Amino acid sequence: DAGVIQSPRHEVTEMGQEVTLRCKPISGHNSLFWYRQTMMRGLELLIYFNNNVPIDDSGMPEDRFSAKMPNASFSTLKIQPSEPRDSAVYFCASSTTGDSSYEQYFGPGTRLTVT
Amino acid sequence: AQSVAQPEDQVNVAEGNPLTVKCTYSVSGNPYLFWYVQYPNRGLQFLLKYITGDNLVKGSYGFEAEFNKSQTSFHLKKPSALVSDSALYFCAVTPAGRYGGSQGNLIFGKGTKLSVKP
Repeated sequence: DAGVIQSPRHEVTEMGQEVTLRCKPISGHNSLFWYRQTMMRGLELLIYFNNNVPIDDSGMPEDRFSAKMPNASFSTLKIQPSEPRDSAVYFCASSTTGDSSYEQYFGPGTRLTVT
Repeated sequence: AQSVAQPEDQVNVAEGNPLTVKCTYSVSGNPYLFWYVQYPNRGLQFLLKYITGDNLVKGSYGFEAEFNKSQTSFHLKKPSALVSDSALYFCAVTPAGRYGGSQGNLIFGKGTKLSVKP
């Protein structure tokens, strides 16, 4: 049973470039979450979707960040233009609320370095 | 404001000794409580949860946690620590929604680094 899949695992880019992170949630899960983890700020929720609809994007730091979920099996997080302070590990997680489970399952993360 | 506190940045334990990682919370309604573990360069892994029922919850790898409503705490425990338990531990809470179910989002604590020495 495949878990949450994220790509790429590592991304190194130059300041000003566009970065797109991808996530495939666990099949059957109806909620998807994007997090950012840094040493300074810990784990931050950026945005989450329920049934492909964005529910709360208050954690998205700036307009440079955008996220989409065009269908139940795919989501993207885009940063345009990227800045060095965006360097972090970005996690995608999915869960189902249909059977009172609620626990989130995390992907391996994408380590982003912006130089 | 809804929040989760993990008062200890780091917990050091000798192998074979019991361990406790502390967590307190402040949320509206009846909380759903979770513990996650993160090993180096890995994503977070679900350990255990409390939603309702018995206050003592057992989870993966021999861990357990006790929900204490009066103290608004959900401390993680293990009777005998292993070196392989060394990792970063996160407590998380999701407040119950208007109709009783979870709202889905999780509020995470800052994490506690557990170090188990041989």
